[in-house]
Amino acid sequence: QKEVEQNSGPLSVPEGAIASLNCTYSDRVSQSFFWYRQYSGKSPELIMSIYSNGDKEDGRFTAQLNKASQYVSLLIRDSQPSDSATYLCAFSNDYKLSFGAGTTVTVRA
Amino acid sequence: EAQVTQNPRYLITVTGKKLTVTCSQNMNHEYMSWYRQDPGLGLRQIYYSMNVEVTDKGDVPEGYKVSRKEKRNFPLILESPSPNQTSLYFCASSPRQGGYGYTFGSGTRLTVV
Repeated sequence: QKEVEQNSGPLSVPEGAIASLNCTYSDRVSQSFFWYRQYSGKSPELIMSIYSNGDKEDGRFTAQLNKASQYVSLLIRDSQPSDSATYLCAFSNDYKLSFGAGTTVTVRA
Repeated sequence: EAQVTQNPRYLITVTGKKLTVTCSQNMNHEYMSWYRQDPGLGLRQIYYSMNVEVTDKGDVPEGYKVSRKEKRNFPLILESPSPNQTSLYFCASSPRQGGYGYTFGSGTRLTVV
C-alpha cells in the first residue's frame, strides 16, 4: 500500500466551479499535512498546511482533515484558469515529507 | 529573497561520469532534503539532513551520495550515473524536521545517456 494515495486525475472543471481533491494516507502517527501546487516544469509551492481535524480556509482554498479516517482534502472555490496545475498532498512524520503522485487539474475557460 | 538555489538547471551527461548538483539555502534552515520526481511516481526522497554532519537515507538512496559540511549547502553527488537516474531533482529545506512545509529549489533536470 502506498503511503499517500490521491484521487486519480486528470480533473477538468469549468471556470468558476469548485474543484475537489482527495488524499488518503496510511501512517497513523502523522501530524502535519500539506497541499502543494506544481505548475508544469516548475517546483512545488506550498499552498496549505493543516494540523488539526476540521477545516482550514485560506482565500479560495479550503483544506479538510479527518485523522480518524486518515483523509485530507482540498477544495478550490471559484476555480480560475490560473489554478490549472498538479496538486500534491503530503504528510510529515519526524523525518520526512511523503508525497502523493499528484492530481492534475485543468480549469476550462 | 529567501530561496533555495540549485545548479545546474539542466544537465546532460554520459553513463559513469561523476557529477554534483549543488543546493544552497539562505534561510538558516536546519533541515534539507533531496527528492527525485518521475512521471507516475511522484516525489521520492533520496537523502535528508537534519543538521550539519547529520544525514540519512530516504526511500531511494542507491547510487547517490550527499554531504552537509555547512548549514546552507547540501550537494547531491552521483559518482557513477546510470540512465535510470534520468529524472527531475529537487532540493528542499525546512526550518526543522517534521511539522513544517518545505521550500523547494527550482529543480535540476538530469539526463544520463
